[in-house]
Amino acid sequence: GDSVTQMEGPVTLSEEAFLTINCTYTATGYPSLFWYVQYPGEGLQLLLKATKADDKGSNKGFEATYRKETTSFHLEKGSVQVSDSAVYFCALSDTGFQKLVFGTGTRLLVSP
Amino acid sequence: GAGVSQSPSNKVTEKGKDVELRCDPISGHTALYWYRQSLGQGLEFLIYFQGNSAPDKSGLPSDRFSAERTGGSVSTLTIQRTQQEDSAVYLCASSPIPGTHTGELFFGEGSRLTVL
Repeated sequence: GDSVTQMEGPVTLSEEAFLTINCTYTATGYPSLFWYVQYPGEGLQLLLKATKADDKGSNKGFEATYRKETTSFHLEKGSVQVSDSAVYFCALSDTGFQKLVFGTGTRLLVSP
Repeated sequence: GAGVSQSPSNKVTEKGKDVELRCDPISGHTALYWYRQSLGQGLEFLIYFQGNSAPDKSGLPSDRFSAERTGGSVSTLTIQRTQQEDSAVYLCASSPIPGTHTGELFFGEGSRLTVL
């Protein structure tokens, strides 16, 4: 079945450092890909998405490119802030477009 | 409020007891999802409701788990004869249409269940 694999955390960075959180997927067909973020004490919210190969999703300084050849959707940010500390989830839409399949989440801790 | 509302936010119960978790989706959202978030396990899909269609129950882990959605709005997830492995955060999400074309699922803050 469809699945998503994320790098394990926590990822600990200093403010203004470069961030990469790896995500790879296994799916039949052509899923859409997503990053969700869960800030402390809040519900998950959509961060960005890409619906087809080579699309780049971007929001709040974060970017991810849908790479079909490597089945990857890595999340990047050039300069992280303390306020980016959260848990980040990579996800794909299942082949029936009925539900999202999530990875295990990666906790990011940014220190001043 | 305008968001997805879940109750209770925290529930501690004894092994073998039944529990009910409630979800109030955003008004007008036709799709409703339940997920379970366990430590180190990510988000596990449980069940999906869309309008008047039969729900997709493919993610329910055992027959002790059931869910209903009344009037196309409020949903209740019931866990019978709880076990310690049921301890997790149960998340509800809704979307105005089957959300995965857009990816926009709106999540509540979850109900944390602890089974002693």
